[in-house]
Amino acid sequence: KAGVTQTPRYLIKTRGQQVTLSCSPISGHRSVSWYQQTPGQGLQFLFEYFSETQRNKGNFPGRFSGRQFSNSRSEMNVSTLELGDSALYLCASSIGTGQTGNEKLFFGSGTQLSVL
Amino acid sequence: KNEVEQSPQNLTAQEGEFITINCSYSVGISALHWLQQHPGGGIVSLFMLSSGKKKHGRLIATINIQEKHSSLHITASHPRDSAVYICAASYGGATNKLIFGTGTLLAVQP
Repeated sequence: KAGVTQTPRYLIKTRGQQVTLSCSPISGHRSVSWYQQTPGQGLQFLFEYFSETQRNKGNFPGRFSGRQFSNSRSEMNVSTLELGDSALYLCASSIGTGQTGNEKLFFGSGTQLSVL
Repeated sequence: KNEVEQSPQNLTAQEGEFITINCSYSVGISALHWLQQHPGGGIVSLFMLSSGKKKHGRLIATINIQEKHSSLHITASHPRDSAVYICAASYGGATNKLIFGTGTLLAVQP
């Protein structure tokens, strides 16, 4: 069974540009969550999607957005990139039976975004 | 405010030693996750627990709901256990909105 796949693995952008990251969950998983990891702030929750609906959102500006498709694949978008957006972006999937707070998470390898 | 505090931040051990990493959290969690992150970024979920104790190989995770405290134990530590260990709490029921601890960098020397 394939794991969680994130693309691209590395990305270099300049300030002001926008970026789209992709996450394909494990087959059969319906919940996809996104997290940002930086040396200064550590890991922080961005948002979670379940059955194409945003279930929860972290404390990030509106420049950060996401969506989930009917096949459970998810994308996140960051517009008007800032230097501080440089981070490792991780997604995780869980089976999503409804009580996703009590489900094991499976993480992708992440996308390392560098904003110059 | 929902918070997760983890200690120690850094830990160096000799191969074979028993290791304990601690995690404290606020009230109202629905689950506590222990994660392992190796250099290069990949995160692996070790345990997800809401009560009691879980064991997998040389790893043991416990949680005390009354004391709002969880521990991760590694028995007979090995250099391949060297990694960052992160605890994370899920608040508010049906959500994967996790609050993360700052992580413990473990180095096991041969």
